[in-house]
Amino acid sequence: EVQLLESGGGLVQPGGSLRLSCAASGFTFSGHALSWVRQAPGKGLEWVSLISGSGNNPYYADSVKGRFTVSRDNSKNTLWLQMNSLRAEDTAIYYCAKRGSAWYNYDYWGQGTLVIVSS
Amino acid sequence: QSALTQPPSVSGSPGQSVTISCTGTSSDAGSYDRVSWYQQPPGAAPKLMIYDVSNRPSGVPDRFSGSKSGDTASLTISGLQAEDEADYYCSSPTSTNTVLFGGGTKLTVL
Repeated sequence: EVQLLESGGGLVQPGGSLRLSCAASGFTFSGHALSWVRQAPGKGLEWVSLISGSGNNPYYADSVKGRFTVSRDNSKNTLWLQMNSLRAEDTAIYYCAKRGSAWYNYDYWGQGTLVIVSS
Repeated sequence: QSALTQPPSVSGSPGQSVTISCTGTSSDAGSYDRVSWYQQPPGAAPKLMIYDVSNRPSGVPDRFSGSKSGDTASLTISGLQAEDEADYYCSSPTSTNTVLFGGGTKLTVL
């Protein structure tokens, strides 16, 4: 059974940093691209980043480019999102999602971890 | 401002059919042949319902179907059930290896 378990969310001040983790199991981790997708309270889904199975090709939404870094360790079946220079508008539930039939659709999602950026 | 436009809400009675549209409003909205649809019940994570316009993942009821005409993709749910009440999102890849989501549509089963 595929499982994705996010952790690391919490309350952080504007300008601060946070590192999210996504522990994966139930599939060949290195063979699948993974993404982070976020959802602000009461709002819609917003794609954040994508990393290939090898970890060599990361992509970012313009809204987080230069502030967020996605990485993965295929030996630990873990995905990370390092978030720096956080802003109030980064407040959201952050989901990790596994690639489905192609890199642009997601067949499994975690339950999400909540990040609140506030002073 | 999303480049994929969905109606904010739709509704239908049990047993009826409803259709949710997803229209591209930007030249960078990507290929409409790669539209996916997700269902998100309140308080839950999204679930993939349709990929590449009209393909259903294993386990998704055949009451859910997808189609496309020009720049508009559509999700049709036939034989509405109370459990179908949720938010629905379309998505599409862009030419710069990012993904766009539509603004979401709230489906109410009357």
